Amino acid sequence: ETGVTQTPRHLVMGMTNKKSLKCEQHLGHNAMYWYKQSAKKPLELMFVYNFKEQTENNSVPSRFSPECPNSSHLFLHLHTLQPEDSALYLCASSQDDRGIGNTIYFGEGSWLTVV
Amino acid sequence: GDSVTQMEGPVTLSEEAFLTINCTYTATGYPSLFWYVQYPGEGLQLLLKATKADDKGSNKGFEATYRKETTSFHLEKGSVQVSDSAVYFCALSDRTGANSKLTFGKGITLSVRP
Repeated sequence: ETGVTQTPRHLVMGMTNKKSLKCEQHLGHNAMYWYKQSAKKPLELMFVYNFKEQTENNSVPSRFSPECPNSSHLFLHLHTLQPEDSALYLCASSQDDRGIGNTIYFGEGSWLTVV
Repeated sequence: GDSVTQMEGPVTLSEEAFLTINCTYTATGYPSLFWYVQYPGEGLQLLLKATKADDKGSNKGFEATYRKETTSFHLEKGSVQVSDSAVYFCALSDRTGANSKLTFGKGITLSVRP
């Protein structure tokens, strides 16, 4: 138990569906992150939020839409995805987004399959 | 830009063998260095970290020393166990820039056989 909880753990969706991934952290952190893990590729940072404000969008396609209503919750809204978007999506949190030595804590991930 | 290079895998060892997983980095500032581990079906967990040169991070029998002169952060364990089978990621967090985001290596799969 890392203190970062992701739901659902597994999601299968069609290319025309709209779905959302949810992340909740119980660590009192102020920064939250979405990462994408694809087979045989390094983890890719997608978005960073600090104190509910987006501070990084790593050139992510608009079919991925993040939402951070408060420092404890982070969503990733999915719409008209492509099969190549199938991956493990990892949520993470840290004390804030500026501390060089801050440890980033990850959730267990949401396995997404786009059919 | 920042980058992390890990040795190619996978790695297969017998139980109680010595483990070394190489990691080198390129960074413009003074990064912190991390090793994360991902057990099958799970997310990433921090294994150890070092925040300045010559620091040694250690946890669960694993060690890594921050070597600025060789820009390396190699992971070692004297005697691996079957339960150490996982994917290991080297990562850095750079002081330059506004975010403490992590730059990851590609990861390496370790399999330990009884």
